[in-house]
Amino acid sequence: QVQLVQSGAEVKKPGSSVKVSCKASGGTFSNYGVNWVRQAPGLGLEWMGGIIAFFGSADYAQKFQGRVTITTDESTNTVYMELNSLTSDDTAMYYCARESVDTAMDVWGQGTTVIVSS
Amino acid sequence: EIVLTQSPATLSLSPGDRATLSCRASQYVSSYLAWYQHKPGQAPRLLIYDGSDRATGVPARFSGNGSGTDFTLTISSLEPEDFAVYYCHQRSSWRSFGGGTKVEIK
Repeated sequence: QVQLVQSGAEVKKPGSSVKVSCKASGGTFSNYGVNWVRQAPGLGLEWMGGIIAFFGSADYAQKFQGRVTITTDESTNTVYMELNSLTSDDTAMYYCARESVDTAMDVWGQGTTVIVSS
Repeated sequence: EIVLTQSPATLSLSPGDRATLSCRASQYVSSYLAWYQHKPGQAPRLLIYDGSDRATGVPARFSGNGSGTDFTLTISSLEPEDFAVYYCHQRSSWRSFGGGTKVEIK
């Protein structure tokens, strides 16, 4: 059973960048998409973007266009999400989630806390 | 961008009650609608995909219905562990989530 293991918590200054990793353990991302979803304190789930299965290219939510980059390293079964120009509004829990073509986001990482504070 | 509107925002019920949650899409999403359960300190859990198919291991008391723009998630008889926030999610065009419905203990 594949598990998604994310990198540890981050504390960042406003204006800086953060890069969060998501590694597939016990499997690979082959034939699956990978999404990034965040939840700010007191708010709901928000889709940021993802790698769509089979196409291999990344799609991003309009809100994050130009500020987020999602990349993959097939040699290590790892997907990365980098978010630039951080503000306090980016303080949130960030999740990666595997997406099957046949179902939906069926396997999730444990989440990574990102705190943006001066 | 497809906007998903969930109602009600909060549902106050007792164990054993029936819960009915709604999700309306701003555009046609066919059956590409999923439901997730989210508890504090945990990752979201896929319950229903493609409108009405239960994910692996999901109890039969959870059922989904609908297609097009209007969808419902029904929990036939609430168990103590079902009190959580529920989100709908579409993957018809890009991806988006609804604002969530909190099912709380009355």
